[in-house]
Amino acid sequence: DQQVKQNSPSLSVQEGRISILNCDYTNSMFDYFLWYKKYPAEGPTFLISISSIKDKNEDGRFTVFLNKSAKHLSLHIVPSQPGDSAVYFCAAGVYGNKLVFGAGTILRVKS
Amino acid sequence: GAVVSQHPSWVICKSGTSVKIECRSLDFQATTMFWYRQFPKQSLMLMATSNEGSKATYEQGVEKDKFLINHASLTLSTLTVTSAHPEDSSFYICSASHRGQGQPQHFGDGTRLSIL
Repeated sequence: DQQVKQNSPSLSVQEGRISILNCDYTNSMFDYFLWYKKYPAEGPTFLISISSIKDKNEDGRFTVFLNKSAKHLSLHIVPSQPGDSAVYFCAAGVYGNKLVFGAGTILRVKS
Repeated sequence: GAVVSQHPSWVICKSGTSVKIECRSLDFQATTMFWYRQFPKQSLMLMATSNEGSKATYEQGVEKDKFLINHASLTLSTLTVTSAHPEDSSFYICSASHRGQGQPQHFGDGTRLSIL
């Protein structure tokens, strides 16, 4: 039972354009959502998070949007840079408890 | 940002041996550490949650006698794969968090385990 789904295994975007990565979840108890970025041979690095009391959180070029009714969140990267090319994992859970991860989306930013 | 160190990064060993992987939080006190396993092109699968000074909580389907977890201090947790077999070959990764600071979890760089 996949509680967190990233339906796009990969995404290719031109440098300077917007990258939009999507994530769906099924557990309505989840109240905390995170995005991690992972380069090959390295561990995931925390990018940005959002709690269920908000619908948007912004940090520099990264913005996470949460649609609780649709159980959907997305990560927007604007403008996209070649160094953003990595695997992006969506994670969700109940705050203070374990996280459930999606399968990841490979982002390729072309220069 | 918070730093978590995982060692070793790569292990190759014979079937039947036991392998210990260390996870250290270098600049914060990790009240909780998590151990994950990742298969190629799949997500991170949580194996167990470890709170300092208490027994680890294992996820369903994870053999606690096979994967021994010790979290004896606020900066160190270890995962020992006992009597490893080729099917145990995988990428193991730890993360750490401090309860007072809540999440996010901060990850180590993982250990690639290959059992021959």
